[in-house]
Amino acid sequence: QKEVEQNSGPLSVPEGAIASLNCTYSDRGSQSFFWYRQYSGKSPELIMFIYSNGDKEDGRFTAQLNKASQYVSLLIRDSQPSDSATYLCAVEKGYGKLTFGQGTILTVHP
Amino acid sequence: KAGVTQTPRYLIKTRGQQVTLSCSPISGHRSVSWYQQTPGQGLQFLFEYFSETQRNKGNFPGRFSGRQFSNSRSEMNVSTLELGDSALYLCASSLGTNWNEQFFGPGTRLTVL
Repeated sequence: QKEVEQNSGPLSVPEGAIASLNCTYSDRGSQSFFWYRQYSGKSPELIMFIYSNGDKEDGRFTAQLNKASQYVSLLIRDSQPSDSATYLCAVEKGYGKLTFGQGTILTVHP
Repeated sequence: KAGVTQTPRYLIKTRGQQVTLSCSPISGHRSVSWYQQTPGQGLQFLFEYFSETQRNKGNFPGRFSGRQFSNSRSEMNVSTLELGDSALYLCASSLGTNWNEQFFGPGTRLTVL
């Protein structure tokens, strides 16, 4: 079992829709969780981090964490073509170490 | 505030050579983490430095090494390059305390011929 698992996609949604990205992790002791966005040929850009159960909202983005189910999700409301990218889920595993999932490719079509 | 900078941005080397990559963190950040990104393996953690000390290390061979200077700038070195070392090498900086966000630099694209 991989430490962090994501559906590779691609996930395709129409412009204006809600995109839902999911991530599961294997270490029940994990404390903090991150979502990064990576455009082709660029480096990862931090979107959200969450460490408490429940929801955390920032603009069009909502991160949801359920530690009992070992599940993290990212919702993108009012999706735009500019949101088309690879979304990486990461779990902190000790000092300065993030363990990443393989990423979900999101395509938002006009 | 200036972001994370990495030099050089692109490198072409041949097998057997060695290479040194540099990373300057965001001002005030004392932790630098290094990652390797390849299409097959994704993003993998190499090591992390905080206040000139390596605090964490990933599962890479000893050919991969690093160091951090008193100004928090960090370098990583890869000796005896192999074809499989071709990758995007990313560094990320953070404050270095618990549950900190890491901010990535633009990366160094290394090609080994």
